[in-house]
Amino acid sequence: GAVVSQHPSRVICKSGTSVKIECRSLDFQATTMFWYRQFPKKSLMLMATSNEGSKATYEQGVEKDKFLINHASLTLSTLTVTSAHPEDSSFYICSARVEGLTDTQYFGPGTRLTVL
Amino acid sequence: AQSVSQHNHHVILSEAASLELGCNYSYGGTVNLFWYVQYPGQHLQLLLKYFSGDPLVKGIKGFEAEFIKSKFSFNLRKPSVQWSDTAEYFCAVNANDYKLSFGAGTTVTVRA
Repeated sequence: GAVVSQHPSRVICKSGTSVKIECRSLDFQATTMFWYRQFPKKSLMLMATSNEGSKATYEQGVEKDKFLINHASLTLSTLTVTSAHPEDSSFYICSARVEGLTDTQYFGPGTRLTVL
Repeated sequence: AQSVSQHNHHVILSEAASLELGCNYSYGGTVNLFWYVQYPGQHLQLLLKYFSGDPLVKGIKGFEAEFIKSKFSFNLRKPSVQWSDTAEYFCAVNANDYKLSFGAGTTVTVRA
């Protein structure tokens, strides 16, 4: 149980285009999902919290107009990188929160974004 | 806000050696503690977690961790590593807002 998928796993795009990344909880419902960015040899940096039915909350320094998040259903959150630039190239990882006595996040496999 | 520090950036050891990875956090209140592992080319997987109760927590694949509240530590241990334990290990903490703060990670390389 608690499987999270991401699509696509890899994407290469031209500078100035937009890219959408999907995060799905496959066998559970998640009212809360999280989006992280992982730089090479670095830890995960939380970008935003995606809340089903309401606006996402962004961490300090993350541009909400550039990284659009939509939590369309209890099993799907999307991250759209708008007007992508080479500095947006990174590994984007989502997680889904399983609520309960031992509140835990389960992670997707990540999406490698390369902006040319 | 809480912060997490992992003392070892890269650990290299031989098979059958014992492993201990340090993790300290800074937060004055109640925290939940996690260790995640990321095998090469794979996604983050939960190794173990501590919420309350016995401070010695056993996880998957023979790993365990001990929560020492007075030291703000949650060190990960494995008595005898295998080549397949080569991976990146992340300590993480959340307080009362369910957001995870991650340590910088420790790369563990096990030589056959």
